[in-house]
Amino acid sequence: NAGVTQTPKFRVLKTGQSMTLLCAQDMNHEYMYWYRQDPGMGLRLIHYSVGEGTTAKGEVPDGYNVSRLKKQNFLLGLESAAPSQTSVYFCASKWAHKADTQYFGPGTRLTVL
Amino acid sequence: AQTVTQSQPEMSVQEAETVTLSCTYDTSESDYYLFWYKQPPSRQMILVIRQEAYKQQNATENRFSVNFQKAAKSFSLKISDSQLGDAAMYFCAYRTGANNLFFGTGTRLTVIP
Repeated sequence: NAGVTQTPKFRVLKTGQSMTLLCAQDMNHEYMYWYRQDPGMGLRLIHYSVGEGTTAKGEVPDGYNVSRLKKQNFLLGLESAAPSQTSVYFCASKWAHKADTQYFGPGTRLTVL
Repeated sequence: AQTVTQSQPEMSVQEAETVTLSCTYDTSESDYYLFWYKQPPSRQMILVIRQEAYKQQNATENRFSVNFQKAAKSFSLKISDSQLGDAAMYFCAYRTGANNLFFGTGTRLTVIP
C-alpha cells in the first residue's frame, strides 16, 4: 500500500516549456487535490476532483490544467511554465465522506528558470 | 472568505517540556473541521490531529491535544513531553463541507535538547 505518490520528485523547466505532474493513489479515494506551497505560505488549492471524469477550480487555478481520466490518477499540467510557478506541489486524496481526512503525497519541487 | 492565522512564525521548546501553538480562523460556517498538520524537513504533510466543530470535547492524540474555542474561533495545539522528532513546521488548516482546505502560514517548531 503506497498511499499517495507523485512523479517526478524534482524538475527544472525553462520559461515557456510544458510538463505534467502525476499523482497516483491506491486507496480507492474519490476526491483528489493539487496544492502549491510557496515560501512563507501555507498550501493553496489549485484544482480538485470529486470523482473520475470531474475537475473543479480551487483558489489559484490560473496557468494550470488538470485531468482525472482514471480514479486513481490526477494529472496537473503546465502548458507554458512561468517563473511564478516555481513552487512545491502537493497532491492529496481522501474518501468521499465530508468528515474524512486528506492524505498527502511527498511533494514535487518545480523550478522554472 | 475563510482565513487561517498563525501568529507565531517560530517557536522553541526544551525537550520533555510542553509547548502550545496558536491558530485562529475566520468563518461564517457552523459545520466545519479543523486540522493540525506537521511538515518535517522531508516535506511530507502528516496529519497530527483533527477536530470537528460540532464536538465540544477537545481532541487528543497521545502527546498532542487541542484547545478548541469555537466562540473565539481559536484552535491551539499543545504538545506535551516534546521530543526531538517533533521539530517541524506545523500548519493549522480549516475545511468546510467536503473540499477545500485553507492553511495558515505555519509555525516552525524547534526542539532544544
